Amino acid sequence: SAVISQKPSRDICQRGTSLTIQCQVDSQVTMMFWYRQQPGQSLTLIATANQGSEATYESGFVIDKFPISRPNLTFSTLTVSNMSPEDSSIYLCSVERSINTGELFFGEGSRLTVL
Amino acid sequence: DQQVKQNSPSLSVQEGRISILNCDYTNSMFDYFLWYKKYPAEGPTFLISISSIKDKNEDGRFTVFLNKSAKHLSLHIVPSQPGDSAVYFCAASKERDGNNRLAFGKGNQVVVIP
Repeated sequence: SAVISQKPSRDICQRGTSLTIQCQVDSQVTMMFWYRQQPGQSLTLIATANQGSEATYESGFVIDKFPISRPNLTFSTLTVSNMSPEDSSIYLCSVERSINTGELFFGEGSRLTVL
Repeated sequence: DQQVKQNSPSLSVQEGRISILNCDYTNSMFDYFLWYKKYPAEGPTFLISISSIKDKNEDGRFTVFLNKSAKHLSLHIVPSQPGDSAVYFCAASKERDGNNRLAFGKGNQVVVIP
């Protein structure tokens, strides 16, 4: 199993500011994934973070809004830039539980509220 | 466009009885299906999965049934226990996309009454 730690666990932010969420894994992993769960909605994949290359973003998500870093095989950050109330969500970091099966380990999530 | 749909957002069931959660999908290209369980303030945890080449997969108290022609799957929990009270997410993927790109449903809240 993988232990995934996210910081912060929750935060209240002002409109127009940016916040960086950290994700630390207790083992080396090739890919890390960032998901978002807006209130009452399903989990949606934002991007896949690969070490040594740019993140791959899903349709509807762009690097300027959600810049991602992946400096090594155990750590990644997601920044939510120029926040608006629509960005109020739970942001989840995840890694593969087993290769190419879709079985993922998730962090506990970072709950952001934008005022 | 919601490709994975979970209706009946909440379910209450007596301890010891069966919990049945339903999930429908619209994309016929999906070939791998998963259920995740989520407790409050925790991330989702993988519960059980099924490949499209099967119609049933069982793991202890949890069984997932897949009906490809109806694009429908269900999760059966029997007997239900109070610790099963959680939100359950159905998810689906296409092997060609890499199975780490999942489409999730909105989740079903299950409450097991002792």
